[in-house]
Amino acid sequence: AQKITQTQPGMFVQEKEAVTLDCTYDTSDPSYGLFWYKQPSSGEMIFLIYQGSYDQQNATEGRYSLNFQKARKSANLVISASQLGDSAMYFCAMRERGETSGSRLTFGEGTQLTVNP
Amino acid sequence: DAGITQSPRHKVTETGTPVTLRCHQTENHRYMYWYRQDPGHGLRLIHYSYGVKDTDKGEVSDGYSVSRSKTEDFLLTLESATSSQTSVYFCAIRDLRASSYNEQFFGPGTRLTVL
Repeated sequence: AQKITQTQPGMFVQEKEAVTLDCTYDTSDPSYGLFWYKQPSSGEMIFLIYQGSYDQQNATEGRYSLNFQKARKSANLVISASQLGDSAMYFCAMRERGETSGSRLTFGEGTQLTVNP
Repeated sequence: DAGITQSPRHKVTETGTPVTLRCHQTENHRYMYWYRQDPGHGLRLIHYSYGVKDTDKGEVSDGYSVSRSKTEDFLLTLESATSSQTSVYFCAIRDLRASSYNEQFFGPGTRLTVL
């Protein structure tokens, strides 16, 4: 079964508007972390934001915020005031507890975001 | 910049040949990872290391082996490359010092084509 599901293969947004990228996850571990990474066309992976399963508040980092709904097992990324440079592939990833697991990440398939001028 | 380099950055090889990809880091990180990225699959973990000579398998380890004889280098070997191993390979480190998130930082990637 998929541990991380990103149901939107592609999304389009107008410059300066907000956009939400969906991510749902599946785990039975009560302690986990959720990450979002950005991959521009140049190929590098850029860490954006993190949400811990015990965090009481939704994470925010500049124009990025994470809409964390624990009961629904969703961790959607919200990008406010989109910019042309936000056009990229976005990956949601989960880290489950356990040092024996090496804190490995499980990634979703990604969402390709295109920001139109 | 987590000081991660990968070599080579691009490689074309033929089916059946051995291939070794190198990941080099300069900041003494304990944890290192190899992922492959394919369309429709995101990134998938191949192998990881939690110290010198300490490695373990990830979800797609068949056909790959790894070695870590010193902290700074993590090698990924395809003993006999197949066309299904055509992919982009990313190395990552887990930075225990940067923040409380212990996020992984990724190298620039190696594009491997197996003909």
